[in-house]
Amino acid sequence: SAVISQKPSRDICQRGTSLTIQCQVDSQVTMMFWYRQQPGQSLTLIATANQGSEATYESGFVIDKFPISRPNLTFSTLTVSNMSPEDSSIYLCSVAKATSGRAAYNEQFFGPGTRLTVL
Amino acid sequence: AQSVTQPDIHITVSEGASLELRCNYSYGATPYLFWYVQSPGQGLQLLLKYFSGDTLVQGIKGFEAEFKRSQSSFNLRKPSVHWSDAAEYFCAVGARAAGNKLTFGGGTRVLVKP
Repeated sequence: SAVISQKPSRDICQRGTSLTIQCQVDSQVTMMFWYRQQPGQSLTLIATANQGSEATYESGFVIDKFPISRPNLTFSTLTVSNMSPEDSSIYLCSVAKATSGRAAYNEQFFGPGTRLTVL
Repeated sequence: AQSVTQPDIHITVSEGASLELRCNYSYGATPYLFWYVQSPGQGLQLLLKYFSGDTLVQGIKGFEAEFKRSQSSFNLRKPSVHWSDAAEYFCAVGARAAGNKLTFGGGTRVLVKP
């Protein structure tokens, strides 16, 4: 398994500002993901952040708005830039780890999330 | 592309009664299937997963799910619910070929009546 922590756990921000969310994992992992969960909604993948390569963004998400860093195998940051009230969401990071000794199969473990409110 | 449908947005069940949450997926190859639970203000906890093999999988907290390829379904069941099972439940599909990305269903909110 993996233990994941996120900072901050919640924040209230003013529109036009930026917030950087940190994700720390207790073990080295290659695959890390960032998700957004808008109020009352399901999770939507923002990007995949694999160490050693540029983050890969899903349709509808761009690097200028959600820059991601992945400096090592245990840490990543997601920045929400030039925020608007529509960015109010829970942001979750997750990691994929092989389980059951079969490297082809991976399960994802999620952090507790960062609840962002933009006024 | 992967997709997941959870037809029931809300389900209300009495404590002690059985629970079944529906999940239908769309994916061209053999999927990896997951059920997660999210309690209010909490992150996601994995209940169970299906990768291959036995189509009836057991999870934590007394949950089980059955993979039915012919119906493209992966329904979650619990014989007797407890008040602490009140939460949001998400079905997700992933695939190694898709870079291990998960696609989530819309979720089902379970309310438990005393």
